[in-house]
Amino acid sequence: DAKTTQPNSMESNEEEPVHLPCNHSTISGTDYIHWYRQLPSQGPEYVIHGLTSNVNNRMASLAIAEDRKSSTLILHRATLRDAAVYYCILRPPRNTGKLIFGQGTTLQVKP
Amino acid sequence: GAVVSQHPSRVICKSGTSVKIECRSLDFQATTMFWYRQFPKQSLMLMATSNEGSKATYEQGVEKDKFLINHASLTLSTLTVTSAHPEDSSFYICSALRTTSSYEQYFGPGTRLTVT
Repeated sequence: DAKTTQPNSMESNEEEPVHLPCNHSTISGTDYIHWYRQLPSQGPEYVIHGLTSNVNNRMASLAIAEDRKSSTLILHRATLRDAAVYYCILRPPRNTGKLIFGQGTTLQVKP
Repeated sequence: GAVVSQHPSRVICKSGTSVKIECRSLDFQATTMFWYRQFPKQSLMLMATSNEGSKATYEQGVEKDKFLINHASLTLSTLTVTSAHPEDSSFYICSALRTTSSYEQYFGPGTRLTVT
């Protein structure tokens, strides 16, 4: 399975944008890029996913590099509730559905 | 979003006993569910893929006789930790795969197991 590399931790100020990077240089052409986040003592929560084009939803935006070797999750205005571990995961083709979690990025949001 | 529940949310059991954890997909049918384990300050580790009506597929290094998985219906998968020991204490999380929309996994809230 292709791996992802994320910074261990990042800090942000409340109400400022946050850009969470992810490198996935060995991504295959069929891998979707998924982002999940996990609040303390909870199960992960889906944030966003994409294949080639940039994606937006109510939670965040996903910017995917043209060569697909990296992506960035963008939180437009961080709130204290966004403090969590953010995981960037490559999802293999549909016939498996398995998600392999890396270490993720711990985001701290300062008031 | 879709809802996946787990029961119990936390359980304490004595060493040598077995404990069963239930994972329910509340608003969609899931032929595939997954079980993860998470130790403190670590990431989720996939234990097994639970398939409705067939045997589970275990990841390398996970003992199938110790972690029994049953996926008897399209909305319920159970994980039984047999002969539990203190090293089995962990946060167990399940997820259900939704294949009718965007092929997403929806996660349960987790079960905190403490073996004394």
